[in-house]
Amino acid sequence: DAGVTQSPTHLIKTRGQQVTLRCSPKSGHDTVSWYQQALGQGPQFIFQYYEEEERQRGNFPDRFSGHQFPNYSSELNVNALLLGDSALYLCASSFGTGGPGDIQYFGAGTRLSVL
Amino acid sequence: DAKTTQPPSMDCAEGRAANLPCNHSTISGNEYVYWYRQIHSQGPQYIIHGLKNNETNEMDSLIITEDRKSSTLILPHATLRDTAVYYCIVRVTSGNTPLVFGKGTRLSVIA
Repeated sequence: DAGVTQSPTHLIKTRGQQVTLRCSPKSGHDTVSWYQQALGQGPQFIFQYYEEEERQRGNFPDRFSGHQFPNYSSELNVNALLLGDSALYLCASSFGTGGPGDIQYFGAGTRLSVL
Repeated sequence: DAKTTQPPSMDCAEGRAANLPCNHSTISGNEYVYWYRQIHSQGPQYIIHGLKNNETNEMDSLIITEDRKSSTLILPHATLRDTAVYYCIVRVTSGNTPLVFGKGTRLSVIA
């Protein structure tokens, strides 16, 4: 049973460019959450997708957008990249039930470097 | 902001028990305590969660005080592979709420 998979593993972009990160959830999961982790910090919640809709959003600008596909996989798009967007981007999947046993499982992340 | 307070770092000798404390004095009645571990350059891994009773999985134990204002994650026999950052998180049980991470505790297991 494959866990949460993310691609690519590493990415280098320049300021002003756009980037798309991809995530395939754990088998049977229908909810995908995205987190940003700056160096030395804990992950910060960006947004969550369920039934192809953005269900919740953290304190991130509109440059960060996403999408969820019918097969529950998801993309994170970041436009007009800034140096401060350099971080590890983590995808987590879970069931949509929302109960205490609804555990979020994380992928290994995509390391984005903006030059 | 995270609702938990953890020491920034701890050391533990290999084979000894590692006791990782967490304060969550403002925890609400409908919030559970979750623990995750993050090994360098990997995604966080779920360890265990609980409401008010002590919980145990195959490897670790979670002890929650009776007033629920603090908890301790216990790794009974720490190994070098347990070297990681450990995050304690409180989370409401209703809705698919996101995880709010603090800076966690960096545990170093020493041979």
